[in-house]
Amino acid sequence: SYVLTQPPSVSVAPGQTARITCGGNNIGSKSVHWYQQKPGQAPVLVVYDDSDRPSEIPERFSGSNSGNTATLTISRVEAGDEADYSCQVWESSSDHHVVFGGGTKLTVL
Amino acid sequence: QITLKESGPTVVKPTQTLTLTCSFSGFSLTTNGVAVGWIRQPPGKALEWLALIYWDDDKYESPSLKSRLTITKDTSKNQVVLNVTNMDPADTATYYCARWQMWVGNNVFDYWGQGTLVTVSS
Repeated sequence: SYVLTQPPSVSVAPGQTARITCGGNNIGSKSVHWYQQKPGQAPVLVVYDDSDRPSEIPERFSGSNSGNTATLTISRVEAGDEADYSCQVWESSSDHHVVFGGGTKLTVL
Repeated sequence: QITLKESGPTVVKPTQTLTLTCSFSGFSLTTNGVAVGWIRQPPGKALEWLALIYWDDDKYESPSLKSRLTITKDTSKNQVVLNVTNMDPADTATYYCARWQMWVGNNVFDYWGQGTLVTVSS
């Protein structure tokens, strides 16, 4: 089955740029979506289709996807960005199922 | 305004069947390309997808849990129901339902419910 690999944690100082990766075999051929989850809250979609943002999400959030790695980039990081971030794809090559990455805890120093 | 809300028992005993209901508003599960899915998250762990049911009644379940899952919909009530049989303490988790979009966003969960914590304990 398809596996998405994320680093368990990423740390960044306020105002800097955070990059969270999501690795998968030829993930560049799939649409990757990113969710932000703050403690005790439900996930919120922050980037979809590799690099699009829902209208309510700040432009500081962006995404890219190529080869075997997709990346969520958060520019000018704020304390309020501290959360868990998970990537997700739809796997339809063998059987049809949703795959989530293991999640990355973003810590704002 | 799109909302989803999960309901069901907070505690179930081992071997029992869990029945969860997702009640939603602001969209229809008869719209082409729309589905509702269930996702769970054990305490401190990652999100795990469980099942999807589409507007045309097509269904997909997690391969690892397929034999224990049943997902159904009642479009007249705007509800989706998930049954999980033979519950085990390892199934203790927060269970979320979410709207799934095939076309507007390529197979993505764009709206989520608040989640409901289910504990499996005797």
